[in-house]
Amino acid sequence: DAGITQSPRYKITETGRQVTLMCHQTWSHSYMFWYRQDLGHGLRLIYYSAAADITDKGEVPDGYVVSRSKTENFPLTLESATRSQTSVYFCASTSGADTQYFGPGTRLTVL
Amino acid sequence: GENVEQHPSTLSVQEGDSAVIKCTYSDSASNYFPWYKQELGKGPQLIIDIRSNVGEKKDQRIAVTLNKTAKHFSLHITETQPEDSAVYFCAAISQAGTALIFGKGTTLSVSS
Repeated sequence: DAGITQSPRYKITETGRQVTLMCHQTWSHSYMFWYRQDLGHGLRLIYYSAAADITDKGEVPDGYVVSRSKTENFPLTLESATRSQTSVYFCASTSGADTQYFGPGTRLTVL
Repeated sequence: GENVEQHPSTLSVQEGDSAVIKCTYSDSASNYFPWYKQELGKGPQLIIDIRSNVGEKKDQRIAVTLNKTAKHFSLHITETQPEDSAVYFCAAISQAGTALIFGKGTTLSVSS
């Protein structure tokens, strides 16, 4: 049982390129989340989804796009990457009972 | 919206000592307070949580206390071990009731 997985684990890209980070969970959890983690800021919510085809903005959504066509997948797209989006990105999921389970993270570097 | 403050940002203790990390929250309607441990290169993992109808919860060497009146909650680790060294995050459920708001983290170092 894989639980929640993220791919790629590491990514280097250039300013202006489109990048998609993948998140997959095997629990059929309704809720999925994307956070970014930066030194001095902790974990900040980018977007979340309550169910397939339902998404909502978090604290720092600008520059990101999400979709949720299937319950188990929640991709995060940076349409035109900027250096300020260099960060570690974590996906999480929950059934709605509050406990969130996190993936291993994707370390993204934008040059 | 909800705001969570966490202190201290770094904490160094000797093996066997106790460690205490404190958090305050702003939204009196928050009712769920988890604590996560993050080891280097890994995602955060839940270690203990508490709901607003409970004042204290223990799990072996870890305990969490909640003071709803003062709007603060604390993580207590007793008999610390080197493997307790990690970054610890507190969180509170947001007004919307779906997304967690995290504190900025505490780096705990336990030296033997």
